[in-house]
Amino acid sequence: NAGVTQTPKFRILKIGQSMTLQCAQDMNHNYMYWYRQDPGMGLKLIYYSVGAGITDKGEVPNGYNVSRSTTEDFPLRLELAAPSQTSVYFCASSYALGFRPYGYTFGSGTRLTVV
Amino acid sequence: AQKITQTQPGMFVQEKEAVTLDCTYDTSDPSYGLFWYKQPSSGEMIFLIYQGSYDQQNATEGRYSLNFQKARKSANLVISASQLGDSAMYFCAMREGWDNNDMRFGAGTRLTVKP
Repeated sequence: NAGVTQTPKFRILKIGQSMTLQCAQDMNHNYMYWYRQDPGMGLKLIYYSVGAGITDKGEVPNGYNVSRSTTEDFPLRLELAAPSQTSVYFCASSYALGFRPYGYTFGSGTRLTVV
Repeated sequence: AQKITQTQPGMFVQEKEAVTLDCTYDTSDPSYGLFWYKQPSSGEMIFLIYQGSYDQQNATEGRYSLNFQKARKSANLVISASQLGDSAMYFCAMREGWDNNDMRFGAGTRLTVKP
């Protein structure tokens, strides 16, 4: 009963480095999302995917890229890390589009610091 | 414009008492969904309760209920019989329209339950 699994849990990057945050879900959810949460703030949507091969930008996509080659995996790529990308990143998944009453299932988060 | 507003940065409640966390929202779309999430100090996001814009009755889930006042555009979370484990950040969120994947979050309210 894994749900949404994110790796790594913590990471420190130097300015200009790149990395990939991994996200996998085993619930056969079509929809997957990446959010970031800055200190003391709510979550903001970076990218989302409605199914394998389909991705789209959210509210704050700059500096990130995503891919969705399978239903299960939705990695988030940071290119040329900047201090402004210091945040906690959450991956989430949900059932089909619409207002299902179960909300999203979130991963445990990745705390990223760019120095 | 701010879509979701939570005006209480912090709230205190005595154990076993009820507490109301405020949330107001802004949308011109007649179809939307409102969600509440709990974020304990461990960091994970836990879905609590959902209210659809066309729902006739207020949503309830165990000790959680949502006081939905559509004309006032408010969706307050009521926690009855507070427990020490209820101490956490609480986020109100909204999704507009039937095909919108961008769930917008409020800034959150930190609830502390006193013994």
